[in-house]
Amino acid sequence: GESVGLHLPTLSVQEGDNSIINCAYSNSASDYFIWYKQESGKGPQFIIDIRSNMDKRQGQRVTVLLNKTVKHLSLQIAATQPGDSAVYFCAAASGGSYIPTFGRGTSLIVHP
Amino acid sequence: DTGVSQNPRHKITKRGQNVTFRCDPISEHNRLYWYRQTLGQGPEFLTYFQNEAQLEKSRLLSDRFSAERPKGSFSTLEIQRTEQGDSAMYLCASSLGQGKVTDTQYFGPGTRLTVL
Repeated sequence: GESVGLHLPTLSVQEGDNSIINCAYSNSASDYFIWYKQESGKGPQFIIDIRSNMDKRQGQRVTVLLNKTVKHLSLQIAATQPGDSAVYFCAAASGGSYIPTFGRGTSLIVHP
Repeated sequence: DTGVSQNPRHKITKRGQNVTFRCDPISEHNRLYWYRQTLGQGPEFLTYFQNEAQLEKSRLLSDRFSAERPKGSFSTLEIQRTEQGDSAMYLCASSLGQGKVTDTQYFGPGTRLTVL
């Protein structure tokens, strides 16, 4: 089965800095990857996704990079703001499965 | 607000009681998913529906758990004879579900269950 893990349980940054959250997955057949943000007491909020036919995708202040060779993806947040403080989860789904496997999450703490 | 609603938001019950949760997905979303999340963990898949058909169930879903989506719109998750280990956040998500591709799931706010 799929195993998804984030490299650091906690990441502390200063407001205005760029943040990078890393994630590794185990299944080379994984072809769909998603990043979610979860604030305390709320459900996960979709941030950005990427399919395996791409290696980079950009959204508003966020960029996801996918390296299929080493089975690694990252979420970059530009000009991090206090409102970005939350737990971030990556998830991966394998071809033919509609069900992504979630990692444990990285808690992003933004200091003003 | 993603448009997925869940009720109740919180439920406290005594061990052995039955509980039922409801999820209203985004309208026109064909797929509906249930997950369980415990503190410090990512969501764990329980089951999913394509329209009214329950197509996949995790082995986490013991026989005390049952889910329905009778008309392909809202869904209910029932837990019978609750145990303290059932205490968790129960999350519902929905996705458009057109075609044979994995698509973006949008989550509701969750129902937090506490079993005393």
